[in-house]
Amino acid sequence: SQELEQSPQSLIVQEGKNLTINCTSSKTLYGLYWYKQKYGEGLIFLMMLQKGGEEKSHEKITAKLDEKKQQSSLHITASQPSHAGIYLCGAPDSGGYQKVTFGTGTKLQVIP
Amino acid sequence: DGGITQSPKYLFRKEGQNVTLSCEQNLNHDAMYWYRQDPGQGLRLIYYSQIVNDFQKGDIAEGYSVSREKKESFPLTVTSAQKNPTAFYLCASSRAGGPYNEQFFGPGTRLTVL
Repeated sequence: SQELEQSPQSLIVQEGKNLTINCTSSKTLYGLYWYKQKYGEGLIFLMMLQKGGEEKSHEKITAKLDEKKQQSSLHITASQPSHAGIYLCGAPDSGGYQKVTFGTGTKLQVIP
Repeated sequence: DGGITQSPKYLFRKEGQNVTLSCEQNLNHDAMYWYRQDPGQGLRLIYYSQIVNDFQKGDIAEGYSVSREKKESFPLTVTSAQKNPTAFYLCASSRAGGPYNEQFFGPGTRLTVL
């Protein structure tokens, strides 16, 4: 079965600083989702990457999929307290159905 | 507004009791899912359904049961056979028909066994 490892597990940054979260798969990636979760709440969809080398941005968050390395990175520019939360990556199953394997998450704290 | 609702937000259960978690969506999605989230373990799939009256076991189905009698509803029953039911439960839905349809999540139900 596929496994997704996220690094770092937790991150504390000062407001205004840039940061990167990585998601590495044990198998070939057929696409990748990034979600954000506030503690005790549901997941909020951020973006989906489908092709190797694809890069997408939403406000100050940019994600890229590198199929050759079976990895995706999520980069936040000029972090704000509103960026705090848990970031999870998810990879769809290769079987053409929407079963998704999720990583264990990266907890981000932004200090004002 | 379209979305997914889960109820209740908090649920307390005595050992030996069955309990049912509600999940309703008005997004007209065909596929629905139940996940369990524990600290440090990410999300684990319990059951999923791609169409009404059909559902499949996920990775950790033991001690759980579901039904899919209506397109918009996918209730999860946590039975007394589930050894460690205290967790955060998340319901999700998505369009069917391909691997790249993102899942939309409800707000979750936190179940505590007393």
